[in-house]
Amino acid sequence: ELKVEQNPLFLSMQEGKNYTIYCNYSTTSDRLYWYRQDPGKSLESLFVLLSNGAVKQEGRLMASLDTKARLSTLHITAAVHDLSATYFCAVYLYGGATNKLIFGTGTLLAVQP
Amino acid sequence: EAGVTQFPSHSVIEKGQTVTLRCDPISGHDNLYWYRRVMGKEIKFLLHFVKESKQDESGMPNNRFLAERTGGTYSTLKVQPAELEDSGVYFCASSQVQRRYTDTQYFGPGTRLTVL
Repeated sequence: ELKVEQNPLFLSMQEGKNYTIYCNYSTTSDRLYWYRQDPGKSLESLFVLLSNGAVKQEGRLMASLDTKARLSTLHITAAVHDLSATYFCAVYLYGGATNKLIFGTGTLLAVQP
Repeated sequence: EAGVTQFPSHSVIEKGQTVTLRCDPISGHDNLYWYRRVMGKEIKFLLHFVKESKQDESGMPNNRFLAERTGGTYSTLKVQPAELEDSGVYFCASSQVQRRYTDTQYFGPGTRLTVL
């Protein structure tokens, strides 16, 4: 059974600091997503990573994928309060009748002024 | 373009009662998914429709849960009778086509279900 482990579960950081969220998964997959959720809102797709070594950046967020290590990271640069949210990684399982996302537990990010 | 909508946003019921959750996918999306997040845990897959057919219902917890998608449009998820452990947030997602490399699932805001 595919497992996705995300850490840390909770991250409190000061504005202007850098930090990384880690996402490990237990079986091969050729697609990994990062989602953001604000309280009471939908999950918003931030990045989709499709291949080994893929790196994508949007503003202060940068996501990378190492399929050999089965590891993805979400790096936050110079955090600002607006980045406070819950971040999920999700591995895509595809094949036969299976077509679904397997999520990590989520990281609740709180950026303090 | 309207996103995925879910109704109600919150529901509080007593153990043993019945609740029906509704999801309206993005127009034209053939794929519809239900997921659930129990307090503090990961979001877990429940089932997947392609149009009106159940493609994969391997995540449904037990036979108290019944999902339907009449006419391949909106979907309902009924819990009957509800138990305490059914409390959580139920998410619906939709995607246009089932392509391996380009299919993105768009999520609704979820229905928070509390069973007392």
